Amino acid sequence: AQSVTQPDIHITVSEGASLELRCNYSYGATPYLFWYVQSPGQGLQLLLKYFSGDTLVQGIKGFEAEFKRSQSSFNLRKPSVHWSDAAEYFCAVGPRSGSARQLTFGSGTQLTVLP
Amino acid sequence: DTGVSQDPRHKITKRGQNVTFRCDPISEHNRLYWYRQTLGQGPEFLTYFQNEAQLEKSRLLSDRFSAERPKGSFSTLEIQRTEQGDSAMYLCASSFYDSGYTEAFFGQGTRLTVV
Repeated sequence: AQSVTQPDIHITVSEGASLELRCNYSYGATPYLFWYVQSPGQGLQLLLKYFSGDTLVQGIKGFEAEFKRSQSSFNLRKPSVHWSDAAEYFCAVGPRSGSARQLTFGSGTQLTVLP
Repeated sequence: DTGVSQDPRHKITKRGQNVTFRCDPISEHNRLYWYRQTLGQGPEFLTYFQNEAQLEKSRLLSDRFSAERPKGSFSTLEIQRTEQGDSAMYLCASSFYDSGYTEAFFGQGTRLTVV
């Protein structure tokens, strides 16, 4: 069965510092990979996605993520964090084949940004 | 606003009561998904529709849960005889499906509290 692991439940960084959120997945084949962000009381917003090609993908709000097949990882990075980045971040995977396209999510990483 | 909308945003109900949530997807989207998110967890897939057809249901969707999407437009999710364990955020997402992949857009969710 597919699964997504986000090993860090909570991360605290200072504003302006760099950020890396970890994501590992277990899947039968390389899935589609996503990062979503959720602000308190809000739905999910897609930050970026990986389908194929260049393993370093750029997203919105200055985020990027790198797919590493050998490590089954898709870590999210940002060089300089802003206070508005404080939110919960979810890594997700989705199937490449079959008609269903539902996503499997990790349990999330809560990001706190210190002034 | 042409995004996914969910109603109500919050619902408090007594144990044993029935509740119904509504989701209005983005108008041209033929796929509609329901997810459940409990505190500290990522969203978990419940069910999805393509147009009016319900194509898959998760084993999380007990007999007390029923979802419909009449005419392939809005969808409702009903929970009968609510239990405290049903307390969660219920998220709806929509997408346009063809043979490839397109992004699913999420609504802001309905937060259910069963007391």
